[in-house]
Amino acid sequence: GENVEQHPSTLSVQEGDSAVIKCTYSDSASNYFPWYKQELGKGPQLIIDIRSNVGEKKDQRIAVTLNKTAKHFSLHITETQPEDSAVYFCAASRINNDMRFGAGTRLTVKP
Amino acid sequence: EPEVTQTPSHQVTQMGQEVILRCVPISNHLYFYWYRQILGQKVEFLVSFYNNEISEKSEIFDDQFSVERPDGSNFTLKIRSTKLEDSAMYFCASTAQGGNTEAFFGQGTRLTVV
Repeated sequence: GENVEQHPSTLSVQEGDSAVIKCTYSDSASNYFPWYKQELGKGPQLIIDIRSNVGEKKDQRIAVTLNKTAKHFSLHITETQPEDSAVYFCAASRINNDMRFGAGTRLTVKP
Repeated sequence: EPEVTQTPSHQVTQMGQEVILRCVPISNHLYFYWYRQILGQKVEFLVSFYNNEISEKSEIFDDQFSVERPDGSNFTLKIRSTKLEDSAMYFCASTAQGGNTEAFFGQGTRLTVV
């Protein structure tokens, strides 16, 4: 089955710096790659997603890149703010949101 | 803003007992999911449900688990005979359509099996 690896497990940056989180997946049939942000005591919330027919997608300070050949995708957050501090999960899905998640990255943005 | 709601927020149960976790998906959504997250670990897919039947299920979703949409609003996950290793946060999610689209998650039910 699908296996999603995520790195790093923790990431600490200064406010204003960029943060990059990387994921790899194993199932070449996966074609949907969402990123979720999870704040303490809450469920995961979608922040950006990308489909396999696109190499890059950007939404304000957040961007995601996808390399299908290498089976990896990355989340880039620019100009980080303290409120970006949370756990971020990548996921890969083949059909119907049968998402397999990465292990998560705890991002801390220091003021 | 519409949201997925889950009850209870925390459930403690004795090993071997049955538990039912409840979810109210977003009202016009048609696809429903259960995920679980063991403390400190990744979120794991359990099952997807559409048109009153299971669409997909993972290897975790064995005969001890079942799902049901007993009425027009609720979506439940039943664990027949709980084990210690069932202790986890259980998340319900829903989507408006099939395929891969934005999934909206509830705030979760923390299940503790003692």
